[in-house]
Parts: sequence; C-alpha cells; structure tokens
Amino acid sequence: ETGVTQTPRHLVMGMTNKKSLKCEQHLGHNAMYWYKQSAKKPLELMFVYSLEERVENNSVPSRFSPECPNSSHLFLHLHTLQPEDSALYLCASSQDRAGVYNEQFFGPGTRLTVL
Amino acid sequence: AQSVAQPEDQVNVAEGNPLTVKCTYSVSGNPYLFWYVQYPNRGLQFLLKYITGDNLVKGSYGFEAEFNKSQTSFHLKKPSALVSDSALYFCAVRMDSSYKLIFGSGTRLLVRP
Repeated sequence: ETGVTQTPRHLVMGMTNKKSLKCEQHLGHNAMYWYKQSAKKPLELMFVYSLEERVENNSVPSRFSPECPNSSHLFLHLHTLQPEDSALYLCASSQDRAGVYNEQFFGPGTRLTVL
Repeated sequence: AQSVAQPEDQVNVAEGNPLTVKCTYSVSGNPYLFWYVQYPNRGLQFLLKYITGDNLVKGSYGFEAEFNKSQTSFHLKKPSALVSDSALYFCAVRMDSSYKLIFGSGTRLLVRP
C-alpha cells in the first residue's frame, strides 16, 4: 500500500449505530487530518493531529470522536449520528516542521450515509 | 477572517485551448497557497503550491499558477487543455503557524472535445 488509505470506502449506518472510520498513511508523515466534504459546501477541517497529539478541533459535535494511536493511523469514531452528517470524510497527512508547511496528501475518502 | 474565493462554479473550455481557474484570497500575514484537483469518487490530489520565491509556480500535469500579491490572487492556468483535465479544482490557503488549510468552494472544469 502506498500513500493514504481509508476504510471502509462506503458506509451506511443508522442513527443509533456506532462505527469507526480508519485512515492509514504510508508516507512517514508527522501530521494527520480529518475533513468533511458535503455537497455544495467547502471542505471543512474537523481535526488535526501532530505527532499523535490533537492540535486543532474545529467545533465538531461530540458524536465525532477522533483517535490517533500512532503517527501512521487515525480513526474517527461515530455514534448517534444525524442524517446531515452524511458526507464524504477525507483523511490527509503531511510532513511539517517549524516554519515549513508542505502539501497535504489525501486518501480516497469514506462515503458515509446516515439513515 | 481568512477566506478563499473561487468566483466561478464552472469553467468550460474546448480541448487544446488555454484554461484559467480563478482564485482570490483574503488573509493577514503571509499566505501559503495550494491547488488541488478532485476526480469523481476520489480524494484530492495535490497540483502545486506557492510558498515563497518566484511568483510563477509550475506543477503536475502541465498546470501552473501565478501568485499576485497586489491582487491577492492565485489563478490556475494551463496552456492547452485536455479532456482528461475535466474535474473539480480547489484552491486553498494556509497561514503561517497554523495547520488549518482553508479551501475555496471549488470550480468544476469541463473540457469539451
């Protein structure tokens, strides 16, 4: 596997279910991100982890819970979601150091549908 | 507040003709600017970036972009469009000392044969 992988690629869940999205980066990067992409809205940054520590949390509802057990893996735990949470969830990674900001590499996304 | 604007929802161009996808930004401080492309059912692919230095930046697949500080613009260009360039294009800006990448709303490029 190369680049950034995400599983599952598609997920359908009910509002009472609990599920998790998984992201893995094979690039040796030190930062990982979760984005939400909805129709007709710009990409929204949800969470940022740098060296396994959460550094940004953009007012995301608590029904979304991120986890970064190591620098290569990132999870997004989902529970009691709402239909408006249906979207494409994108994971990204980058290699950053002080004063140098590189491009982010994106995974293919998980298409989530909440019924 | 920092923001990125892509004023055109869609750009139509004939194959072989030059294309331009527009992007303007509003930030305080020095911006780091990026262009990404998204094909259907795929994630975003990095095309090019401006960090510092030469205002004309060359990137993947023959694309280039020109940073214009006075007009706060970073338009994406290609001298000769291909049908395979048809996709959704996003401009993004990142501020110094911030991990946050602010995206524009995207421009759909349609290249007709």
